[in-house]
Formats: sequence, C-alpha cells, structure tokens
Amino acid sequence: AQSVTQLGSHVSVSEGALVLLRCNYSSSVPPYLFWYVQYPNQGLQLLLKYTSAATLVKGINGFEAEFKKSETSFHLTKPSAHMSDAAEYFCAVSIETSGSRLTFGEGTQLTVNP
Amino acid sequence: KAGVTQTPRYLIKTRGQQVTLSCSPISGHRSVSWYQQTPGQGLQFLFEYFSETQRNKGNFPGRFSGRQFSNSRSEMNVSTLELGDSALYLCASSFMGASYEQYFGPGTRLTVT
Repeated sequence: AQSVTQLGSHVSVSEGALVLLRCNYSSSVPPYLFWYVQYPNQGLQLLLKYTSAATLVKGINGFEAEFKKSETSFHLTKPSAHMSDAAEYFCAVSIETSGSRLTFGEGTQLTVNP
Repeated sequence: KAGVTQTPRYLIKTRGQQVTLSCSPISGHRSVSWYQQTPGQGLQFLFEYFSETQRNKGNFPGRFSGRQFSNSRSEMNVSTLELGDSALYLCASSFMGASYEQYFGPGTRLTVT
C-alpha cells in the first residue's frame, strides 16, 4: 500500500522568505504525486502534480516541487512567501491501479509572519 | 466550466439518524470520490464511483454507502449516525483515473449531536 509522510505539522516563515514543505512517499509502483492547499472552511485546491514527465513540476501561485526517486521525496517550495500563502498544505499519492483514490499526508499548516 | 458542487454545505443531525449528501461533478468527469476530513484522522478516502460503479472502497463501516447516477452525480449516505461521524465530507471529481487531477468541492460540514 502507498503512504505519505509530511515532516512538520506546522511551519512558520517570514514574508518574503523561502517556503519549504516536506513530503516523503512510499509506493511499490511508480506513483503519481500531488500537492493540495486548503484555506479555512474551503475544499482542497490543486497546486501541482507529478505524473512521471518532468521531475521538476511548476504549479500555481509560484509553487514548485521536485520528484526525487532516490529519496522518495516530493518537497514543495516557493522562493518568496506571501501572506496569502498561509493555509494548510497536503501532499497526496495515487497509483495506477487505485483509480482516483488519493492517499493524503497529515498536512502542514503554514504560517506567514509579516 | 462550473466546479464541483456539494449540497448541503452544513448539516446538524442527531445520533441515530441518517443523512444523505450530494455531489455534482464537473461536466464530463466520470469519477467521483468521497473523503472524510477530521482533525484527528485527517483526510480519509471513503469510496470512488466511476461510471455508476464503485471502483474503490476505503476502510469505513457499512453504515457509509454511496451511489452514482447516470449523469455522474453522486450521493453518499450515512446511516445510524454516531458522534464520531462529525466531519467535513469532501467530494472530488476527475475525468478518469489515477494520473488525472481531482477537483474538490467545498465540502459538507456534518455535525452530529
């Protein structure tokens, strides 16, 4: 079975600083990987996805993630944090034989300080 | 293109009652998945329907059930509600399968008293 671990349930950065949210996955077959963001009282919004094309994936709002098979990681980064980035971020994995089923990490709450 | 819609947005029910939640996927999407989100357990997969057939099922008791109609709209039902069923229930739609983006609705907040 596949799984996702997000290191750090809370991350705090200053406005303008680098954002780094960590995600490690476990899968016995090639995975598809996703990052979602959730603002309070809302559903999840897709930031980006990896589906075995380029290992460096660019998403919306300036976010990007790099798939590293050797490290089984898919960390999310943004060069310069903005106040509007404060939200909860979820890493998720799916595999071909699981249909649309996503397995999520525990989530990382990002705080951006002025 | 309209997004995923879920109704109702908020529900308050009493223990022992049953509830039905509805989800309308993005036009053209054939897959609808349901997730339960709670502070303690996080996001957990309930089940997925594809072309009116349940394709995947998570590890939830039989009190949780769902169905999908020919227009891809989906409903999930929870019978004999328990306090622990209080959660945000999210619906997601996708065109096909694992490699396709899933788009989430705003969720239904269920409170069981």
